[in-house]
Amino acid sequence: GQQVMQIPQYQHVQEGEDFTTYCNSSTTLSNIQWYKQRPGGHPVFLIQLVKSGEVKKQKRLTFQFGEAKKNSSLHITATQTTDVGTYFCAGSPGANNLFFGTGTRLTVIP
Amino acid sequence: DADVTQTPRNRITKTGKRIMLECSQTKGHDRMYWYRQDPGLGLRLIYYSFDVKDINKGEISDGYSVSRQAQAKFSLSLESAIPNQTALYFCATSKVQGASTDTQYFGPGTRLTVL
Repeated sequence: GQQVMQIPQYQHVQEGEDFTTYCNSSTTLSNIQWYKQRPGGHPVFLIQLVKSGEVKKQKRLTFQFGEAKKNSSLHITATQTTDVGTYFCAGSPGANNLFFGTGTRLTVIP
Repeated sequence: DADVTQTPRNRITKTGKRIMLECSQTKGHDRMYWYRQDPGLGLRLIYYSFDVKDINKGEISDGYSVSRQAQAKFSLSLESAIPNQTALYFCATSKVQGASTDTQYFGPGTRLTVL
């Protein structure tokens, strides 16, 4: 069945350091979405990538979709304490359901 | 997102009890979903509904049932709760966005504990 794996499961960084989480699918995806869940909160949509090799930026966040459309990454430059939370990728093989990754929980040490 | 509400927010129950979790939305979306979240396992889809007359099983539907009472309401039932159904449950909604996969809007979650 469809699997979306995400690494690492946990990451602790010093404030100001960079952070990257990686997402890998066992099958080709039509698109991939990224969500952020703050501690005690619910997942909130960040961005969607559709094209092979696509790169999108949101301020200090850079999202990339692999050429084969099987992997993706989220990179945060110079982390801040407001970046804490769990980041989920979610891939779709078609136009319907999403398969969520296991998430990466980011802790930022002031 | 305040447009998607879930009740109750917290529930403690005993093994064997029947439990219903409710979800309401004012976003006017046709599509609604139920997920459960467990530490280290991410979000797993239980059931989804693309309109009032459409109900579909997700990855982990065993032990659960759903009812889509109206476009705005989608409830999840545990007919006979068991301890391994202890989890955080999220309802989500989405609207069709053409060829792209829908963005999902999540409710605040229901924390369920089965003793």
